[in-house]
Amino acid sequence: DAGVIQSPRHEVTEMGQEVTLRCKPISGHNSLFWYRQTMMRGLELLIYFNNNVPIDDSGMPEDRFSAKMPNASFSTLKIQPSEPRDSAVYFCASSLWGSGRAYNEQFFGPGTRLTVL
Amino acid sequence: QQQVKQSPQSLIVQKGGISIINCAYENTAFDYFPWYQQFPGKGPALLIAIRPDVSEKKEGRFTISFNKSAKQFSLHIMDSQPGDSATYFCAARKTSGSRLTFGEGTQLTVNP
Repeated sequence: DAGVIQSPRHEVTEMGQEVTLRCKPISGHNSLFWYRQTMMRGLELLIYFNNNVPIDDSGMPEDRFSAKMPNASFSTLKIQPSEPRDSAVYFCASSLWGSGRAYNEQFFGPGTRLTVL
Repeated sequence: QQQVKQSPQSLIVQKGGISIINCAYENTAFDYFPWYQQFPGKGPALLIAIRPDVSEKKEGRFTISFNKSAKQFSLHIMDSQPGDSATYFCAARKTSGSRLTFGEGTQLTVNP
């Protein structure tokens, strides 16, 4: 049973370039989360979707960041233009949420390590 | 009110000792409290979780203690092993929501 799939696993890019991170949630899950992890700021929630609809994007650092979820099995996080301070590990997580399922865990992907030079 | 405060930031324990990590929250709407374990190069994974209708939950060497009146909960790792060396995150969630609010994380090192 495949878990959350993220690609690429590592990304090295130059400042100013566009970066697209991809996530495939666990089949049947209806909530999807994008996190960023750094030593300085820990694990930060950037945005999350319920049933493909963005619910809270207050964690998105600035307009350079955007996320989409065109269908239940795919999401992207885009950074344009990228900056060195965006260097971090980006995690995608999914869960099954809804009426009567109050306590379902989030399953995290392996993460994408982004380095912006 | 959305914050979960976690301490200590780092912890070093000898093999066989007890590791204790503490978390505190303010939002009384939180009613699900999981702990996640993260090994280097991996994503966090659920370790153990508790609901506020019980004061303690034990799974093997891992125990959550929950104090609803104090709005605090803690993770105890008994007989700590070098393989337990990882970063531990506490978290909290409201029943009505799907998002987790994470603590800052604790880097645990268990020396052999």
